[in-house]
Amino acid sequence: DTAVSQTPKYLVTQMGNDKSIKCEQNLGHDTMYWYKQDSKKFLKIMFSYNNKELIINETVPNRFSPKSPDKAHLNLHINSLELGDSAVYFCASSQSGHRGEKLFFGSGTQLSVL
Amino acid sequence: AQSVTQLGSHVSVSEGALVLLRCNYSSSVPPYLFWYVQYPNQGLQLLLKYTTGATLVKGINGFEAEFKKSETSFHLTKPSAHMSDAAEYFCAVSDRRGGGSQGNLIFGKGTKLSVKP
Repeated sequence: DTAVSQTPKYLVTQMGNDKSIKCEQNLGHDTMYWYKQDSKKFLKIMFSYNNKELIINETVPNRFSPKSPDKAHLNLHINSLELGDSAVYFCASSQSGHRGEKLFFGSGTQLSVL
Repeated sequence: AQSVTQLGSHVSVSEGALVLLRCNYSSSVPPYLFWYVQYPNQGLQLLLKYTTGATLVKGINGFEAEFKKSETSFHLTKPSAHMSDAAEYFCAVSDRRGGGSQGNLIFGKGTKLSVKP
Protein backbone atom coordinates (compact mmCIF):
# COMPACT_ATOMS: atom_id res chain seq x y z
CA ASP A 1 0.00 0.00 0.00
CA THR A 2 1.31 3.42 -0.95
CA ALA A 3 1.48 5.64 2.14
CA VAL A 4 1.03 8.98 0.35
CA SER A 5 -0.47 8.81 -3.09
CA GLN A 6 -1.14 11.66 -5.47
CA THR A 7 -2.84 11.76 -8.83
CA PRO A 8 -2.25 12.36 -11.61
CA LYS A 9 1.46 11.65 -12.00
CA TYR A 10 1.67 13.79 -15.12
CA LEU A 11 -0.51 16.73 -16.07
CA VAL A 12 -0.12 18.58 -19.36
CA THR A 13 -2.46 21.48 -19.98
CA GLN A 14 -2.88 24.81 -21.73
CA MET A 15 -2.42 28.24 -20.20
CA GLY A 16 -5.58 29.59 -18.67
CA ASN A 17 -7.04 26.21 -17.78
CA ASP A 18 -8.09 25.10 -14.29
CA LYS A 19 -6.74 21.83 -12.91
CA SER A 20 -6.67 19.80 -9.70
CA ILE A 21 -4.19 17.45 -8.09
CA LYS A 22 -5.41 14.98 -5.50
CA CYS A 23 -3.53 13.61 -2.51
CA GLU A 24 -4.41 10.92 -0.02
CA GLN A 25 -2.48 9.44 2.89
CA ASN A 26 -3.31 6.20 4.68
CA LEU A 27 -0.90 6.70 7.59
CA GLY A 28 -3.40 8.25 9.97
CA HIS A 29 -1.37 11.47 10.08
CA ASP A 30 -2.87 14.76 11.20
CA THR A 31 -0.75 17.08 9.05
CA MET A 32 -0.45 17.33 5.28
CA TYR A 33 1.57 19.61 3.02
CA TRP A 34 2.01 20.75 -0.54
CA TYR A 35 5.51 21.48 -1.80
CA LYS A 36 6.56 22.89 -5.18
CA GLN A 37 9.81 21.77 -6.82
CA ASP A 38 10.97 24.02 -9.62
CA SER A 39 13.10 23.12 -12.64
CA LYS A 40 16.28 23.63 -10.59
CA LYS A 41 15.04 21.08 -8.02
CA PHE A 42 14.43 23.77 -5.38
CA LEU A 43 11.71 22.68 -2.96
CA LYS A 44 9.48 25.19 -1.25
CA ILE A 45 6.47 24.71 0.98
CA MET A 46 3.18 26.07 -0.30
CA PHE A 47 0.57 24.98 2.24
CA SER A 48 0.23 23.00 5.42
CA TYR A 49 -2.97 21.63 6.95
CA ASN A 50 -3.44 20.15 10.40
CA ASN A 51 -6.68 18.24 10.98
CA LYS A 52 -8.29 19.99 8.02
CA GLU A 53 -7.26 23.44 9.29
CA LEU A 54 -4.95 25.63 7.23
CA ILE A 55 -1.73 26.24 9.17
CA ILE A 56 0.71 27.61 6.61
CA ASN A 57 -0.04 29.61 3.52
CA GLU A 58 3.20 30.83 2.03
CA THR A 59 3.35 33.59 -0.54
CA VAL A 60 1.48 31.61 -3.13
CA PRO A 61 -0.81 33.29 -5.70
CA ASN A 62 -4.44 33.00 -4.73
CA ARG A 63 -5.00 31.07 -7.97
CA PHE A 64 -3.82 28.13 -5.85
CA SER A 65 -6.41 26.87 -3.41
CA PRO A 66 -5.95 23.83 -1.20
CA LYS A 67 -8.95 21.90 0.02
CA SER A 68 -8.99 19.30 2.77
CA PRO A 69 -12.29 17.39 2.93
CA ASP A 70 -10.90 15.23 5.74
CA LYS A 71 -7.56 14.78 7.39
CA ALA A 72 -6.55 11.98 4.99
CA HIS A 73 -6.97 14.14 1.89
CA LEU A 74 -5.46 17.39 0.73
CA ASN A 75 -6.24 18.47 -2.82
CA LEU A 76 -4.73 21.35 -4.76
CA HIS A 77 -6.80 23.38 -7.19
CA ILE A 78 -5.09 25.74 -9.60
CA ASN A 79 -7.06 28.32 -11.57
CA SER A 80 -5.98 30.19 -14.67
CA LEU A 81 -2.76 28.25 -15.10
CA GLU A 82 0.35 30.17 -16.17
CA LEU A 83 3.60 29.04 -17.77
CA GLY A 84 5.44 29.67 -14.50
CA ASP A 85 3.28 27.12 -12.72
CA SER A 86 5.13 24.34 -14.53
CA ALA A 87 6.87 22.34 -11.81
CA VAL A 88 6.66 19.13 -9.84
CA TYR A 89 4.18 19.31 -6.96
CA PHE A 90 4.70 17.03 -3.98
CA CYS A 91 2.20 16.15 -1.34
CA ALA A 92 3.54 15.07 2.06
CA SER A 93 2.27 14.15 5.49
CA SER A 94 3.58 13.93 9.05
CA GLN A 95 2.15 12.70 12.32
CA SER A 96 1.28 16.02 13.96
CA GLY A 97 3.34 18.77 12.35
CA HIS A 98 5.95 18.74 15.10
CA ARG A 99 9.17 20.26 13.83
CA GLY A 100 11.21 17.12 14.50
CA GLU A 101 8.98 14.73 12.60
CA LYS A 102 9.73 12.76 9.48
CA LEU A 103 7.79 13.76 6.40
CA PHE A 104 6.39 11.13 4.08
CA PHE A 105 6.27 12.29 0.47
CA GLY A 106 4.18 11.24 -2.48
CA SER A 107 5.89 10.53 -5.78
CA GLY A 108 4.99 13.90 -7.26
CA THR A 109 2.84 15.37 -10.01
CA GLN A 110 4.71 16.86 -12.93
CA LEU A 111 2.67 19.78 -14.23
CA SER A 112 3.50 21.16 -17.65
CA VAL A 113 1.70 24.30 -18.79
CA LEU A 114 1.93 24.95 -22.53
CA ALA B 1 14.97 32.87 10.29
CA GLN B 2 16.20 29.50 9.19
CA SER B 3 18.15 28.68 6.04
CA VAL B 4 20.31 25.95 4.57
CA THR B 5 23.26 26.14 2.19
CA GLN B 6 24.46 23.08 0.35
CA LEU B 7 27.93 23.50 -1.09
CA GLY B 8 28.22 21.99 -4.52
CA SER B 9 25.22 21.39 -6.72
CA HIS B 10 26.89 18.32 -8.21
CA VAL B 11 29.31 15.85 -6.64
CA SER B 12 30.85 12.96 -8.54
CA VAL B 13 32.65 10.05 -6.86
CA SER B 14 33.93 6.67 -7.93
CA GLU B 15 32.27 3.53 -6.69
CA GLY B 16 33.85 2.57 -3.37
CA ALA B 17 35.06 6.09 -2.62
CA LEU B 18 34.04 8.29 0.29
CA VAL B 19 30.91 10.35 -0.14
CA LEU B 20 30.87 13.79 1.48
CA LEU B 21 27.97 16.15 0.91
CA ARG B 22 28.20 19.49 2.67
CA CYS B 23 25.45 21.37 4.45
CA ASN B 24 25.61 24.53 6.54
CA TYR B 25 22.62 25.96 8.30
CA SER B 26 21.43 29.14 9.93
CA SER B 27 18.84 28.97 12.68
CA SER B 28 17.53 31.35 15.31
CA VAL B 29 16.32 28.43 17.43
CA PRO B 30 18.05 25.15 18.34
CA PRO B 31 18.18 23.46 14.94
CA TYR B 32 16.43 20.30 13.90
CA LEU B 33 18.31 19.04 10.84
CA PHE B 34 17.46 16.50 8.18
CA TRP B 35 18.85 14.81 5.10
CA TYR B 36 16.43 13.57 2.47
CA VAL B 37 17.21 11.65 -0.73
CA GLN B 38 15.30 11.82 -3.98
CA TYR B 39 15.76 9.08 -6.57
CA PRO B 40 14.75 9.89 -10.17
CA ASN B 41 11.01 10.35 -10.62
CA GLN B 42 10.30 9.65 -6.97
CA GLY B 43 9.38 11.58 -3.87
CA LEU B 44 11.80 12.37 -1.07
CA GLN B 45 12.76 9.83 1.57
CA LEU B 46 14.27 10.59 4.95
CA LEU B 47 17.89 9.43 5.30
CA LEU B 48 18.49 10.68 8.83
CA LYS B 49 17.76 13.50 11.23
CA TYR B 50 19.19 15.29 14.22
CA THR B 51 16.94 16.76 16.88
CA THR B 52 18.68 16.48 20.24
CA GLY B 53 21.20 14.18 21.91
CA ALA B 54 24.05 12.41 20.14
CA THR B 55 25.57 14.63 17.50
CA LEU B 56 26.60 11.77 15.22
CA VAL B 57 23.48 10.30 13.69
CA LYS B 58 23.26 7.20 11.57
CA GLY B 59 20.73 6.74 8.86
CA ILE B 60 19.64 4.28 6.26
CA ASN B 61 21.87 2.82 3.53
CA GLY B 62 25.07 3.38 5.50
CA PHE B 63 24.86 7.17 5.62
CA GLU B 64 25.68 9.23 8.67
CA ALA B 65 25.92 12.91 9.54
CA GLU B 66 27.48 14.89 12.34
CA PHE B 67 25.94 17.99 13.87
CA LYS B 68 28.65 20.55 14.63
CA LYS B 69 27.21 23.58 16.35
CA SER B 70 30.47 25.54 16.32
CA GLU B 71 30.68 25.17 12.54
CA THR B 72 26.91 25.36 11.93
CA SER B 73 27.32 22.27 9.77
CA PHE B 74 25.56 18.98 9.21
CA HIS B 75 27.60 17.20 6.53
CA LEU B 76 26.49 13.84 5.16
CA THR B 77 29.01 11.03 4.69
CA LYS B 78 29.20 7.44 3.56
CA PRO B 79 32.48 5.52 3.67
CA SER B 80 32.02 3.66 0.40
CA ALA B 81 29.80 4.81 -2.46
CA HIS B 82 27.58 2.38 -4.31
CA MET B 83 26.08 2.86 -7.75
CA SER B 84 22.63 2.81 -6.17
CA ASP B 85 23.52 5.96 -4.16
CA ALA B 86 23.24 8.11 -7.28
CA ALA B 87 20.43 10.54 -6.50
CA GLU B 88 19.63 14.09 -5.42
CA TYR B 89 20.29 14.83 -1.75
CA PHE B 90 18.58 17.59 0.20
CA CYS B 91 19.59 19.05 3.53
CA ALA B 92 16.81 20.72 5.50
CA VAL B 93 16.28 22.63 8.72
CA SER B 94 13.00 22.90 10.54
CA ASP B 95 11.69 26.30 11.48
CA ARG B 96 9.43 26.93 14.44
CA ARG B 97 6.03 28.57 14.30
CA GLY B 98 5.27 30.80 17.23
CA GLY B 99 6.71 29.56 20.49
CA GLY B 100 5.42 26.04 20.09
CA SER B 101 6.65 22.77 18.73
CA GLN B 102 5.15 23.07 15.27
CA GLY B 103 7.34 23.78 12.30
CA ASN B 104 8.02 23.00 8.68
CA LEU B 105 11.04 22.16 6.62
CA ILE B 106 13.26 24.67 4.86
CA PHE B 107 15.22 22.86 2.17
CA GLY B 108 18.60 23.54 0.63
CA LYS B 109 18.92 23.59 -3.14
CA GLY B 110 20.07 20.00 -3.33
CA THR B 111 23.24 18.19 -4.37
CA LYS B 112 23.20 15.69 -7.19
CA LEU B 113 25.44 12.73 -6.46
CA SER B 114 26.85 10.80 -9.40
CA VAL B 115 28.71 7.52 -8.87
CA LYS B 116 31.16 6.35 -11.52
CA PRO B 117 31.91 2.65 -11.99
